[in-house]
Formats: sequence, structure tokens, C-alpha cells
Amino acid sequence: GDSVTQMEGPVTLSEEAFLTINCTYTATGYPSLFWYVQYPGEGLQLLLKATKADDKGSNKGFEATYRKETTSFHLEKGSVQVSDSAVYFCALSVSGNTGKLIFGQGTTLQVKP
Amino acid sequence: ETGVTQSPTHLIKTRGQQVTLRCSSQSGHNTVSWYQQALGQGPQFIFQYYREEENGRGNFPPRFSGLQFPNYSSELNVNALELDDSALYLCASSLAAGGLGANVLTFGAGSRLTVL
Repeated sequence: GDSVTQMEGPVTLSEEAFLTINCTYTATGYPSLFWYVQYPGEGLQLLLKATKADDKGSNKGFEATYRKETTSFHLEKGSVQVSDSAVYFCALSVSGNTGKLIFGQGTTLQVKP
Repeated sequence: ETGVTQSPTHLIKTRGQQVTLRCSSQSGHNTVSWYQQALGQGPQFIFQYYREEENGRGNFPPRFSGLQFPNYSSELNVNALELDDSALYLCASSLAAGGLGANVLTFGAGSRLTVL
């Protein structure tokens, strides 16, 4: 079945370091891909998305490129801030229109000053 | 524009009891999805409601049921609670059940259920 695998955390970085969180997926058809972020005590917020191969999603300095050949959607940011500390979830949409997202297990990012 | 609101934020139940969780969708959204997030895990899709009918369901038993009301708000009901039902329950709303916009979900902060 469809699935998403993320790199295990926690990921601990110093402020201004480069961030990569790996995400790979298995899916039939042509899914859309998403990154959501969850800050402590809050719901998930959409960070960025890509709907077809080679699309690049970007928001708030974060980027991810939909790579069909490697079935990947890695999240990157050139210079992280303490305020980026959160849990990051990679997700894919199954084909169709049910609003069903399949999430990875999440990766905790901790940025130290 | 109001976001998605859920109630209660926290609750404790015992095994065998029943629970009802509530969700008000974001203004302008007509579709509601429910997810279960166990500690340290990603959310898992329970079901979605559109036009007051269930429109897609994940791998959850029938004791998980829901309702959607004419104002697009929703309830999640869980009967015969089990210890493994302890989790954060997330409600998410979206604009329509169809097209790319259907997968852009706005999440609430969740209801944390503890089953003792």
C-alpha cells in the first residue's frame, strides 16, 4: 500500500545551520506531496506542497522538490532559526478526492541558539 | 477568518466508555476529515465527511463513527473505548471533496484522549 518514510529524529542543529529532512514514498498513481509542521500544543500547518514530478514547493525559506525517479521529497532550509524547532511531517495524498493524507512518522527538529 | 476549533482539548475516560469529540470547520470549508495521532507517530486517517455523509474511511473499526451537520461542523464518536484509543484526535477541514484543493487541509489543535 501507499506509505511515507521519514528520517528518524530528533535532529539537533545550531542556529544558521543547513537543514535536510529526508522523505521517501511508495505510491500507486501520481500522488501530491506535502510537508506539514506541528509546533508544540498546536495543530498541523501546511508548510509546502508539490503536485507533480519536478515541482518545487517553497515557503518561509523551506524547499522540497518532487523527485519521481527517486520517489523522494526531501525538505531543506539553508539557515535554520530557533523558531523552526517543531515536528515536521511528510505526507502524500492518495489518488482521488477523499482528503485522505498518508503521513510519515514525523521528524523532530531542535534548533539551539 | 476563523480556523478549525476542537473541543474538548483534553479528556480522560475509562475502558468501555463512549466519547464524543467536536469540531467546527474553518469558515468557507465544507469537508471535514478526522485523524488519530498516537504519541510519537504521524496522524492516521479515520474518515472524511462531505455533504453530511461519510466519504472515505481508513482502517478503523465501526465503533469509530461520525456526523457532519448542515453548518459543516462535525463530531467523532468512539464506542467501547480501548486503551489503544488513547491519542490526539485531529480534525481538519478543506474546501471541497474534489480536485487539488481537497487535499489542502486546515487542522485544529486536537483533542487529547486518555483511556484508563
